[in-house]
Amino acid sequence: AAGVIQSPRHLIKEKRETATLKCYPIPRHDTVYWYQQGPGQDPQFLISFYEKMQSDKGSIPDRFSAQQFSDYHSELNMSSLELGDSALYFCASSLAPGYTYEQYFGPGTRLTVT
Amino acid sequence: RKEVEQDPGPFNVPEGATVAFNCTYSNSASQSFFWYRQDCRKEPKLLMSVYSSGNEDGRFTAQLNRASQYISLLIRDSKLSDSATYLCVVENSGGSNYKLTFGKGTLLTVNP
Repeated sequence: AAGVIQSPRHLIKEKRETATLKCYPIPRHDTVYWYQQGPGQDPQFLISFYEKMQSDKGSIPDRFSAQQFSDYHSELNMSSLELGDSALYFCASSLAPGYTYEQYFGPGTRLTVT
Repeated sequence: RKEVEQDPGPFNVPEGATVAFNCTYSNSASQSFFWYRQDCRKEPKLLMSVYSSGNEDGRFTAQLNRASQYISLLIRDSKLSDSATYLCVVENSGGSNYKLTFGKGTLLTVNP
């Protein structure tokens, strides 16, 4: 079965640079969620989109922005990167909220900021 | 009180053992509950959804007690491949708020 696709899988950036992470949800899933997982931490919710509109916002820094496109893929844009942004970034997708809350995670993008 | 609290672990058990994980949540409005497993440096994978009073899937049994805001996961006949971190996950309902809140996870190591 098709799964959530994330790219790139690994990314190395320097401080103050920008990064763009991409997420392609499971076909027919119209809801996308972004999570950040630091070393030894549990995943923390950043932001979510349903039908291309932001549906919820968590602990996402103002330096980060995200959007969902007409084909339901999503991009997380990160600017003025800091060392503390080094983490695994997961994208998850689900069917419309209210139908099911089961979220399926992609393999993640490992971001290293040097 | 943290939104989702789990047994701190770690759990080290021999193959064939039965192991139970406990979890409590603080938001009484939460409607959906899950157990995910996460292998080192991999994505969380949905193990079980817990929608009503509990459910069973092979060697895995999940229980939900809404009155006590308590969830449990029981693994019977542990296999080496069960070694992973088990995450108790709660969906926070209310308006458009569909985010998942994760517990800190409990590391399970099944030994030969």
